[in-house]
Parts: sequence; C-alpha cells; structure tokens
Amino acid sequence: AQRVTQPEKLLSVFKGAPVELKCNYSYSGSPELFWYVQYSRQRLQLLLRHISRESIKGFTADLNKGETSFHLKKPFAQEEDSAMYYCALPFFNAGGTSYGKLTFGQGTILTVHP
Amino acid sequence: KAGVTQTPRYLIKTRGQQVTLSCSPISGHRSVSWYQQTPGQGLQFLFEYFSETQRNKGNFPGRFSGRQFSNSRSEMNVSTLELGDSALYLCASSLMTGAVYEQYFGPGTRLTVT
Repeated sequence: AQRVTQPEKLLSVFKGAPVELKCNYSYSGSPELFWYVQYSRQRLQLLLRHISRESIKGFTADLNKGETSFHLKKPFAQEEDSAMYYCALPFFNAGGTSYGKLTFGQGTILTVHP
Repeated sequence: KAGVTQTPRYLIKTRGQQVTLSCSPISGHRSVSWYQQTPGQGLQFLFEYFSETQRNKGNFPGRFSGRQFSNSRSEMNVSTLELGDSALYLCASSLMTGAVYEQYFGPGTRLTVT
C-alpha cells in the first residue's frame, strides 16, 4: 500500500533558525513526491516536486530512497513560512500508470516565531 | 489562466439532506479530483474523473458520488448527509507533467451539517 507519514503534527521554530519538516513514504516503485503548502485562509498550493529539483521560497527537499524519506528543509525560517505543510505521493496502478490521485500525509503545522 | 473555482464556497445543511458541489477546472485540464479535508482525518481522496469517466475512487460510502461533464466541469453529490460529512471539500484539476499529474486546488467548499 502507498502511504505517507509526517511524524510531527506541530513544529515551532524561531525566525532565522533552520527548519526541517519530515516526510516518510511507503511505495515499492520509483516514487514521485510533492510538498504542498496551505497558508492561512488560502488554497492548497504546490510548493515543490522532487523531480524538478528546484528551490521554492528557499525550501528544498531531497529524495532519499534508502530511508524512504523526502524531508523539506529551509536554512533560515521566516515568519511568512508559518503554514500547514503536506507531503504527497501520487498514485500509480500496478501497470505503472499514474492517475490524478494523491496520498497525503497528515500534515505539519509550522509556526515561525519572531 | 484562471484557477480552479468551486461553488458554493459555504453550505449549511441538515442531516438527511443531499448536497451538490461544483468545480470548474483550469482550462485544458481534463482530470478533476475531489478530496475531503477534516481536522481529524486530514486530506482524503474521494474520486477522480477524466474525460467524463471515473478512473479512481477512494474509500467512501456510496452516498458520495460525482460526475464530469464534456467541458471537464465536475460535480460531487452527497446524499443523506450525516454530521460526520462536515468538512472542507477540495477539488483539484490536473495536468500530466512527466509521468505524473500535477494537481492544482480550488479554494474548497466548506460544508457544515447540523
């Protein structure tokens, strides 16, 4: 079964401190993974996907297949980073075809204190 | 391009009633997915439609149904509402990029069942 685990429901850091939001996945194939962010009163939006290897808003995420992890990191947190973050795994059927279905982790609420 | 739109944004219904939610995807997107978001269960996949066909379905009772029209607009229907159906219902339209669908979310419809 495909599964995503975000072990921390809440994470608090101070402005300027490094932040790491943890994500572990369970998938037997070669995974694609996403991070989505939901700011207060805004819609869920794509933050980054591992295959693009981009850095968005200073965030990066590295896929570690050995540890089955896709942790989200930022070296210096800002107050505007306070939001709910979701790690998500796209669904693939047995034949390797992708559908428009994401399995989400439970989410981590990040609070960055001034 | 205009983003995903959902109507109505808020709904209050009583137990036993039925409700229909609407979603207009981003122009050119043929895949539309629906999710239920609650504080306790997080984001859970309901179903996905592609070219008017349901391709994938989550673990929800038959009271939850949906459809997609030829213009890719989608509706979901919940019959015989229960208190536990109170949630934010999110619609996402998707575009295949590489091997997976990137999903873009609407603002959601907040359903309250009393």
